[in-house]
Amino acid sequence: QAGLTQPPSVSKGLGQTATLTCTGNSKNVGNQGAVWLQQRQGHPPKLLSDWNNDRPSGISERFSTSRSGKTASLTITGLQPEDEADYYCSAWDSSLSGVVFGGGTKLTVL
Amino acid sequence: QVQLQQSGPGLVKPSQTLSLTCAISGDSVSSNSAAWNWIRQSPSRGLEWLGRTYYRSKWYNNYAISVKSRITINPDTSKNQFSLQLNSVTPEDTAVYYCARDRTGDLHFDSWGQGTLVTVSS
Repeated sequence: QAGLTQPPSVSKGLGQTATLTCTGNSKNVGNQGAVWLQQRQGHPPKLLSDWNNDRPSGISERFSTSRSGKTASLTITGLQPEDEADYYCSAWDSSLSGVVFGGGTKLTVL
Repeated sequence: QVQLQQSGPGLVKPSQTLSLTCAISGDSVSSNSAAWNWIRQSPSRGLEWLGRTYYRSKWYNNYAISVKSRITINPDTSKNQFSLQLNSVTPEDTAVYYCARDRTGDLHFDSWGQGTLVTVSS
């Protein structure tokens, strides 16, 4: 069961901007923020951004993150066909002393 | 470049023990900054973190509450790998299991194994 809440699906047009949200509580997202992962069909997840909003090398600047209170957001600008994937957020939960994930958002690029 | 190579059986009988190994190249299981995780994924449960092991002058483990009574994650410094053991499995444990490196200890999951589909069935 997901500890963080993500919308199941988002659809946007080619070249548009998509903003995906991830809502937790004061013990996880509200405490240290979230990390974001992209998963394409048949592949392991890939890190897009860590807690410090740092992107690993090779991750496009079109991906950016932010946080407001208990909600973290991933914004993808200039949507491309290859952005079509599942996106997951993750955070450390201090009350559980463990990692929690969101249920994932399936992004469709029309 | 870090690579993680998983090995282990794809079929386990109910009530038995699931055992997987993750061999590390390009880093050390004894790294003082990284943490070594097991994560699984199933259609019903999504991504689920199982636990991790890491070294900070001594060895530490953290386990998910949902599996805490059944799980052991062990480092093997002689082979530079770490393992997962999950006891008393049921069909609910059927999932794709991943090992993953957290490079900084802050959920910087930058390297993943290839994934192993483990089916629990008689």
